[in-house]
Parts: sequence; C-alpha cells; structure tokens
Amino acid sequence: GAGVSQSPSNKVTEKGKDVELRCDPISGHTALYWYRQRLGQGLEFLIYFQGNSAPDKSGLPSDRFSAERTGESVSTLTIQRTQQEDSAVYLCASSSRLAGRGTQYFGPGTRLLVL
Amino acid sequence: ELKVEQNPLFLSMQEGKNYTIYCNYSTTSDRLYWYRQDPGKSLESLFVLLSNGAVKQEGRLMASLDTKARLSTLHITAAVHDLSATYFCAVDVSYSGGGADGLTFGKGTHLIIQP
Repeated sequence: GAGVSQSPSNKVTEKGKDVELRCDPISGHTALYWYRQRLGQGLEFLIYFQGNSAPDKSGLPSDRFSAERTGESVSTLTIQRTQQEDSAVYLCASSSRLAGRGTQYFGPGTRLLVL
Repeated sequence: ELKVEQNPLFLSMQEGKNYTIYCNYSTTSDRLYWYRQDPGKSLESLFVLLSNGAVKQEGRLMASLDTKARLSTLHITAAVHDLSATYFCAVDVSYSGGGADGLTFGKGTHLIIQP
C-alpha cells in the first residue's frame, strides 16, 4: 500500500510569508506526528495527533506554528510569518495502534527554505 | 528533560571492519528505536527494542538494549559500502507520562564506509 506522502516536496518562501505543509498518512493509521529536522541535526518533535483526541502541541516552538488534522486523515502544518530559522526539513510520520507508537513510518519530508 | 546522546557523530571506516555506535539516554525507558536515513531521503525503521536485554539482528546490523545502563548499541559486522548512511536512535517515554508523545532523537551518526 501507499506510504506516507507529503507535499510540497520543496518550498522556498520569503521571510514573513505564511506556508502550509501537507501530510497524508498511511490509511488506517490513527497516530500522526510532525517533526522538524534542521541541517545535520536529529529530529525535533513538533506535534502529535491521535484519533479524535486533543493534539499534543508541546513541541511547537512558537505560536507561529499550528497544525490541524481532519479526523484520521490529512494533516496540515502551518507556519505564519516565517523566519529564516524555520528553514528545515519537516517530516511527517504515522503509526497504528497495533504496531505501537514507536514504529513510525516517515514521509519523504518537505524541504523549506526561508529567504 | 530527556536527552539522547549518540556517539560517535561521525564515523569513517573501511569495508570488512566491525564497529559499534552507542546511544545513551537520560531517563527511564524500555522503548528504543533505530532508524536509517540516506542523504536527501526520509527515515527508515531498522529496529524496535522493547525490553531490557532485547537484541535484534538484521543482516550485518545488530542492535541491543540495556535499560539499566540506559544504553543501546548498534553493531556493524564486516561493513559494506551499502551501509553508508546516517543512523539515528530514538527513545519513547510517552507511555510512562514522562514527556511529549513524540520520539526523542539523537543527533545521528553519519557513517561512511569506504571500499
């Protein structure tokens, strides 16, 4: 079956603009995660959705970052008034309750460059 | 705050040699994961370690977990060029209420295997 997909694959924007990143998880996966990976670094957890529960937003770095998820499907990560330090690869992952939270399947990422 | 430290961060080795990558973490957890990332690609799940003493092997890679020492190792046997990649360990403390729901990643070990 299809894996996690993300769009766009690359995004270049100007400082101060808003951007919206999209993630389509694996069908049937109830859990969805967003991570940020800066150049040469590990992944930073941003936000977690599980079913219809309130999301865990504890990793969001500032109030410019927000995310939504429609039921157990598509999620969008929005960054408002982008700054240069927001430049990174944004990775989405999903997992199923049966597989356990740690077996996360990652999408290809969106490479964001803020000029 | 959970800290996950990998070492070395960079490793260049020759084909045919053995080596070990270490992953230390700072809080109690018995859920640890190893991922592989090729340049410009997303993360691929390698191993899921869910108990003290767990050992898993796949080809030339073997991972182990010592929860008392808060240490996991990824051992490479008779390295081949195809294993060149960045390897990340990640720790899950979400189930114990000890932190955010996402995984906490190490900074990664950039492994180059030369013919």
